[in-house]
Amino acid sequence: KAGVTQTPRYLIKTRGQQVTLSCSPISGHRSVSWYQQTPGQGLQFLFEYFSETQRNKGNFPGRFSGRQFSNSRSEMNVSTLELGDSALYLCASSLEWGYKAFFGQGTRLTVV
Amino acid sequence: SQQGEEDPQALSIQEGENATMNCSYKTSINNLQWYRQNSGRGLVHLILIRSNEREKHSGRLRVTLDTSKKSSSLLITASRAADTASYFCATDRDSNYQLIWGAGTKLIIKP
Repeated sequence: KAGVTQTPRYLIKTRGQQVTLSCSPISGHRSVSWYQQTPGQGLQFLFEYFSETQRNKGNFPGRFSGRQFSNSRSEMNVSTLELGDSALYLCASSLEWGYKAFFGQGTRLTVV
Repeated sequence: SQQGEEDPQALSIQEGENATMNCSYKTSINNLQWYRQNSGRGLVHLILIRSNEREKHSGRLRVTLDTSKKSSSLLITASRAADTASYFCATDRDSNYQLIWGAGTKLIIKP
């Protein structure tokens, strides 16, 4: 059974640009969550989606957005990148909320 | 915002010894999960313990949960070099659809 796949693994962008990260959950998993991990702030929740509906959003500016498709694949977008957006972005999937979550390897975004 | 706090922040022990990490949280929870992360890579799920459970085992791992004290502990017995990693606890609340994370414990197993 394939795990959670995140693409790309590494990304370097310039301030002001935008970026789209992709997450393919484990087959059959309908809940997809996104987290940002930085050395200073630790793991911070971004969004959670279930059946194409965003059920919760973390305390991030509107530049951070996401969506989920009918096949449960999810994307997150960050517009007008800032240096502080440099982080490891992690995606997790689970059958439903409250079940154990499986994480992808993450996308390491560097903003220069 | 972070709900949980792990202690110690760092732990260095000899291979073969037991390692105990603690996690405290602030609000009532549905369940608590422990994860391992190697060198800034993806998180690996270790154990999920529900709020009505007190103890769970998985191989060399033992997790306890004390909801009255809002705390959990992770015990790794007979540690191995491969256990070197950062360990995080994460909690979720009813219908909140987000995991709230502790700052993690960095565990180093010395050969």
